[in-house]
Amino acid sequence: DAGVIQSPRHEVTEMGQEVTLRCKPISGHNSLFWYRQTMMRGLELLIYFNNNVPIDDSGMPEDRFSAKMPNASFSTLKIQPSEPRDSAVYFCASSRPSGKGEKLFFGSGTQLSVL
Amino acid sequence: QKEVEQNSGPLSVPEGAIASLNCTYSDRGSQSFFWYRQYSGKSPELIMFIYSNGDKEDGRFTAQLNKASQYVSLLIRDSQPSDSATYLCAVKLGNYGQNFVFGPGTRLSVLP
Repeated sequence: DAGVIQSPRHEVTEMGQEVTLRCKPISGHNSLFWYRQTMMRGLELLIYFNNNVPIDDSGMPEDRFSAKMPNASFSTLKIQPSEPRDSAVYFCASSRPSGKGEKLFFGSGTQLSVL
Repeated sequence: QKEVEQNSGPLSVPEGAIASLNCTYSDRGSQSFFWYRQYSGKSPELIMFIYSNGDKEDGRFTAQLNKASQYVSLLIRDSQPSDSATYLCAVKLGNYGQNFVFGPGTRLSVLP
């Protein structure tokens, strides 16, 4: 089975530009998570969806960030306008809710650099 | 107060030794506990999970959970240089839906 697929792997952009990150979860997984990882703050949850519905977006840093999940096999995280402090690795993860046994599986991540 | 804490390391052990990684968490209602391994420049990879008090063994890895002390540990026996990585402790919070919270990670270096 294919794992969680993210694109692009690397993104370099200039401050003020719009950035869109993409994610395809594992087939059959109906929960999807967006995390951001930096040296200073570690791995932080931004938002997660259950059955395509956003459940908790309290980790989204500000209105410049938005996430959508139009169907069970695709999600986007958009930053508009981007700022240098948004530079980080953004991971998408998916899971099949199963109570205590639920496990997260991560994609390869998108390394974002905002100049 | 951070919800999941780990020593950042680096923790250095000689090849063949036992590496012991520790994690504490603040939410007493937490249900499940995970150890992820992350190589430099790669994504986190699940290596162990545990949700009952006691020990759980999988090959060279043993996870230990003590809910009364709010403490999780990971033991790696017969450490190999290929075990050198950052180990992330993650906790699924008890009453917060599917909120998985990660610790800052402990960097492990296994010296040949």
